Amino acid sequence: GEDVEQSLFLSVREGDSSVINCTYTDSSSTYLYWYKQEPGAGLQLLTYIFSNMDMKQDQRLTVLLNKKDKHLSLRIADTQTGDSAIYFCAESEGGNKLVFGAGTILRVKS
Amino acid sequence: ETGVTQSPTHLIKTRGQQVTLRCSSQSGHNTVSWYQQALGQGPQFIFQYYREEENGRGNFPPRFSGLQFPNYSSELNVNALELDDSALYLCASSLEGTQYFGPGTRLTVL
Repeated sequence: GEDVEQSLFLSVREGDSSVINCTYTDSSSTYLYWYKQEPGAGLQLLTYIFSNMDMKQDQRLTVLLNKKDKHLSLRIADTQTGDSAIYFCAESEGGNKLVFGAGTILRVKS
Repeated sequence: ETGVTQSPTHLIKTRGQQVTLRCSSQSGHNTVSWYQQALGQGPQFIFQYYREEENGRGNFPPRFSGLQFPNYSSELNVNALELDDSALYLCASSLEGTQYFGPGTRLTVL
C-alpha cells in the first residue's frame, strides 16, 4: 500500500538550516513534491523532484532523493521566521493522485 | 497566488444536509483534483476530473460526487453530511501533472 511518513515537529533558530525528512513507499512514483501550508491557508507548491534525479536546488531550498531507501529530504538554508509553517511531502501515483504525509510543523525561533 | 479559487471560504451545515463546493481552475489547466484535509492531518485524495470525466477516485463513499464543466471549473457535492465530514476541502488544478492548490473551503458540520 501507499504510505508517506514524516517527523511531526522541527524547531530551529533563525539563520540556521532546517532539514525535513520524509519516507515513501511507492517505488513507481514519478515525481515527489514539497508543499508548504501556513495557518488557515491552502497548500503552496515549494518544489518537486523527478524520480530519476538525486538532488535539486532552488534558491534556499535543496531537495535530496535517495530512491533506494525511498527517502526524501528538504533543506531550507538560512531559515527565517516566515518559514514557520507545516511542510508536506507528497508522492504522485499514476499521474493523478497525490499521497501526502501528515506534515512536519516547522517552528523558527528568533 | 496560484490562480485557483474556491468558494465559499467557510460553511456551516448540520448533519444530514447537502453541500456544494466550487473551484475555478488556473487558466489553461484541464484537470481538477479534490482533497479532504481533516484537522492535524495531510490531505486525502477524493477524486480527479479530466476534461469533464472522473479520472480516479480515492477511498470515499458515493455520497461524495463531483462535476467538471466545459470551462474546467468544478464542483464537489457531499450528501447526507456526517460530523466527520468537517474538514478543509482543497481543490487543485493541473495541466500535465504538477498540482496547484486553491485556498480551500472550511466545512463545519454540526
